[in-house]
Order: sequence, then structure tokens, then C-alpha cells
Amino acid sequence: QKEVEQNSGPLSVPEGAIASLNCTYSDRGSQSFFWYRQYSGKSPELIMSIYSNGDKEDGRFTAQLNKASQYVSLLIRDSQPSDSATYLCAVNPIWDNTDKLIFGTGTRLQVFP
Amino acid sequence: DVKVTQSSRYLVKRTGEKVFLECVQDMDHENMFWYRQDPGLGLRLIYFSYDVKMKEKGDIPEGYSVSREKKERFSLILESASTNQTSMYLCASRNAGTGDTEAFFGQGTRLTVV
Repeated sequence: QKEVEQNSGPLSVPEGAIASLNCTYSDRGSQSFFWYRQYSGKSPELIMSIYSNGDKEDGRFTAQLNKASQYVSLLIRDSQPSDSATYLCAVNPIWDNTDKLIFGTGTRLQVFP
Repeated sequence: DVKVTQSSRYLVKRTGEKVFLECVQDMDHENMFWYRQDPGLGLRLIYFSYDVKMKEKGDIPEGYSVSREKKERFSLILESASTNQTSMYLCASRNAGTGDTEAFFGQGTRLTVV
């Protein structure tokens, strides 16, 4: 089992819709979770971080964490064509007591006009 | 403005060459990382360093080595480049201790081995 799993997509949504991106992780003790956005040919940039169960909102973005189910998601409301990118889920596992981040393979989002 | 800078944006090297990829950060971060990114495989950790002269293997260290002589600089070395090392290489840095800090990435180096 991979440590961090994401559906590779592509996830296609119309402009103005809600895009829902999902991620599961295997280390039950993980404490820190991150969503990065990566445009084609560019490096990843942080969108959201979340550490506690529940929802965290920032503008059009909402991160949701459920530690019991080992599941973290990212909702993008009012999706725009400029949101078209690959979204990477990253987890700081606790089992090896380091600060490394383990990434999923990413979900490609396409927002069409 | 925080910054992680990789020495080259694009590199073309020949099979068997020794290749150095350099990364510098200006945030005084303890942790530095080298990932490679390939289509369908995501970011895979090659090596990371949590302090000067300290290093740990990631998931795919074979064929690579690293050097961290100064806190701000982390080098990835391909001892004898091979075509299967053609990839996008990403350096990142991250603060230590609390776990609730983001990693910052450099702009990436696209390496082609011919």
C-alpha cells in the first residue's frame, strides 16, 4: 500500500462548479497534511495546510480532514479555468520521526468554460 | 520573500558523466530535500538532510549521492548519469521541529541524459 494515494484523474468540471479532490494516507499517526498546486512545467506551491479534524476554509478553498478514516480532501468552489493544474496531497508521517513530506501522485484537474 | 534557488533550469548531460545539481535556500531551514518527478509517479524522495553534514536516504537513493557542507546549500550528485535518470528534479526546504510548516520548492531542474 502506498503511503499517500490520490486518483490521478483527470477530473473535469465546468466553470463555476465545485471540484472535490481526495487523498488517503496509511500512517495513522500522521499529524500534518498539505495540498499543493502545480501548474504544468512549474514547481509545486502551497494551497492549504490542515492539522486538526474538520474543515479549514481559505477563500474558495476548503480542506477537510478525517483522521479516523485517514482521509483528507480539498474542495474548490466556483472553479475557474485558472484552477486547471495538478493538485498534490502531502503528508508528514510520524513513524520515522523526521520532517520529510510524502507526496501522492497528484490529481489533474481540468476546468472547462 | 522566501526563496529556494536551483542552479540550472535545464541540463543536458551525456551517459556516464558526473552531474551536480545545486540548491540554495535563504530561510535558514534545517531540512532540505531532493525529489524527482516523473509522469504518473509523482514526487519521489531521493535524499534529505536535517542538518549540516547529515543525510538520510529517501525512497529512491540508488545512483545518487548528496552533500550538505553548509546549512543553506544542498547538492545532489549523479555519480555516473544514466538515461533512466532523465527527469525533473525538485529541491525543497522546510523548517524543523513542529511538523506544521510547509515545504518551499525551487523552480526545478529538467535533466536530460543522452
